[in-house]
Amino acid sequence: SQQGEEDPQALSIQEGENATMNCSYKTSINNLQWYRQNSGRGLVHLILIRSNEREKHSGRLRVTLDTSKKSSSLLITASRAADTASYFCAVGPGANSKLTFGKGITLSVRP
Amino acid sequence: GAGVSQSPSNKVTEKGKDVELRCDPISGHTALYWYRQRLGQGLEFLIYFQGNSAPDKSGLPSDRFSAERTGESVSTLTIQRTQQEDSAVYLCASSLTRGDYNEQFFGPGTRLTVL
Repeated sequence: SQQGEEDPQALSIQEGENATMNCSYKTSINNLQWYRQNSGRGLVHLILIRSNEREKHSGRLRVTLDTSKKSSSLLITASRAADTASYFCAVGPGANSKLTFGKGITLSVRP
Repeated sequence: GAGVSQSPSNKVTEKGKDVELRCDPISGHTALYWYRQRLGQGLEFLIYFQGNSAPDKSGLPSDRFSAERTGESVSTLTIQRTQQEDSAVYLCASSLTRGDYNEQFFGPGTRLTVL
């Protein structure tokens, strides 16, 4: 299975602090994506990083990818209470767009 | 429409009954996916449609589950003879093409409760 596995399972931080979440996977990938889910409903795409990229930024988000270690990290800087959600990484094998999602990380940002 | 829509938003049914869940993808999106998410768990892939190609049904957990999609429009997921373990949120997503780098846009999900 290529399933992305996130770490830690749960993270609680104070507003203003940075949050770092990790994802590991098992086989070769074409791209890795991070999604956010609020209140157990639909997911929202945050950022996509391709296998030939090492780092990508989007606003307060920074994603890194280390294909040699088969791992990725999502950094949220200057966290806000509104960032409280579950975060999932998903890996794409390439020719098939079917993504494999991990179990997610529950992030709580205390005001 | 502005996004992926799903109906109903909640469904409570009795064990043994059939249920049908509906997904309206974003107009123009050729790919459509169904996922299941049990409480506190990740997303479990069910089925994937791409245009007029044969669907990828590799994630369907049993023959009680089936899905249809007409062209590049609405899809329905049918669960026959529902069991309590079918209780979950069923999420639908669509994406623009079957490209390598396309993000998926998710609907709000249907929360299914089987009593």
